[in-house]
Amino acid sequence: KAGVTQTPRYLIKTRGQQVTLSCSPISGHRSVSWYQQTPGQGLQFLFEYFSETQRNKGNFPGRFSGRQFSNSRSEMNVSTLELGDSALYLCASSRDYRGDEQYFGPGTRLTVT
Amino acid sequence: KNEVEQSPQNLTAQEGEFITINCSYSVGISALHWLQQHPGGGIVSLFMLSSGKKKHGRLIATINIQEKHSSLHITASHPRDSAVYICAVRSSGTGNQFYFGTGTSLTVIP
Repeated sequence: KAGVTQTPRYLIKTRGQQVTLSCSPISGHRSVSWYQQTPGQGLQFLFEYFSETQRNKGNFPGRFSGRQFSNSRSEMNVSTLELGDSALYLCASSRDYRGDEQYFGPGTRLTVT
Repeated sequence: KNEVEQSPQNLTAQEGEFITINCSYSVGISALHWLQQHPGGGIVSLFMLSSGKKKHGRLIATINIQEKHSSLHITASHPRDSAVYICAVRSSGTGNQFYFGTGTSLTVIP
């Protein structure tokens, strides 16, 4: 069974631009969560999607948004990039959002210059 | 205020030693996760617990819901266990957020 895939793996953007990251979950998994990891703040929860609906959301500004498609693939978007958005963005999939083991993707390393 | 506290932050052990990493949390939870992250970023979920104890190979995870505390034990540690271990909880309150500890960096010396 293929694991969670994320594209692109590395990305360099300029401050003020926007970026879209993609996550393909394990086949059969319907829940996708997104996380930001930085050296200063560690891992932080962004949001969680299940059956195309956002179920839970962390404490991030509205510049961070996401969506989930009918095939469970998910995208997250960051608009008006700031230098502090430079981070490793991880997604994880699980069968259900109501407490299930999470399988993490390799992450997308975003650098904002 | 950190909802999840881990200790120690750094740990160096000799190969074969018994290792314990502790996690305390302050919110009501529906589940607690122990994660392993190797250099390069990849994260692997080791355990998901809502009560009691789980064992997988040389790894043992326990949770005490009343005391809001969990421990991860590694028996007969090996250099390949060197990684960052992260405790995470899914809150049971409004929002069902995930909160993460800052991680414990473990180095096992041959």
